[in-house]
Amino acid sequence: NAGVTQTPKFQVLKTGQSMTLQCAQDMNHEYMSWYRQDPGMGLRLIHYSVGAGITDQGEVPNGYNVSRSTTEDFPLRLLSAAPSQTSVYFCASRAGLAGTDTQYFGPGTRLTVL
Amino acid sequence: GENVEQHPSTLSVQEGDSAVIKCTYSDSASNYFPWYKQELGKRPQLIIDIRSNVGEKKDQRIAVTLNKTAKHFSLHITETQPEDSAVYFCAANSGGGADGLTFGKGTHLIIQP
Repeated sequence: NAGVTQTPKFQVLKTGQSMTLQCAQDMNHEYMSWYRQDPGMGLRLIHYSVGAGITDQGEVPNGYNVSRSTTEDFPLRLLSAAPSQTSVYFCASRAGLAGTDTQYFGPGTRLTVL
Repeated sequence: GENVEQHPSTLSVQEGDSAVIKCTYSDSASNYFPWYKQELGKRPQLIIDIRSNVGEKKDQRIAVTLNKTAKHFSLHITETQPEDSAVYFCAANSGGGADGLTFGKGTHLIIQP
């Protein structure tokens, strides 16, 4: 199993540009989520999904959209990038919907918005 | 929602000594408390976790203790080694579980040779 994969690894955008960060998992996990990590802030939840067709907002959802058309994929869209969205983005998944299941992280995408 | 506080933000210990990192949480319904280790430029990796039906869990040199009454949990690393140098994050789930983990802000552990 590849586990949780993310593309791209690095990305530089100009203010106002849009882009999609890709996330995929091959473990047949129901639950997937996106976090952003900023220096000194830990990881903060952006959006999550409990299954195909179902998404919900986390702690910091503004400026981001998600969709879940398949169990495997959970892309994160930035509609109009802003410098405040410069961060490292991690996708994560876990097997079940119970909050006690182990969560696995992807390798991350480092995004810079100029 | 859940709030997780983590201390200290930086911890420097001599190689071979023990290190302790402490976290408190606010949601009394939280029942899952993982600890992640993150090396520079890498993803967070789960090193140990505890569920609220136990008070302590050990895995070789690493242990976690949980006090549900006081709403705090701690990571203990014994006989520290240079490869233990990293940033460590504690986390807690929200009571319902569906909306993910809330993380502490991290502890930078430095092992002095």
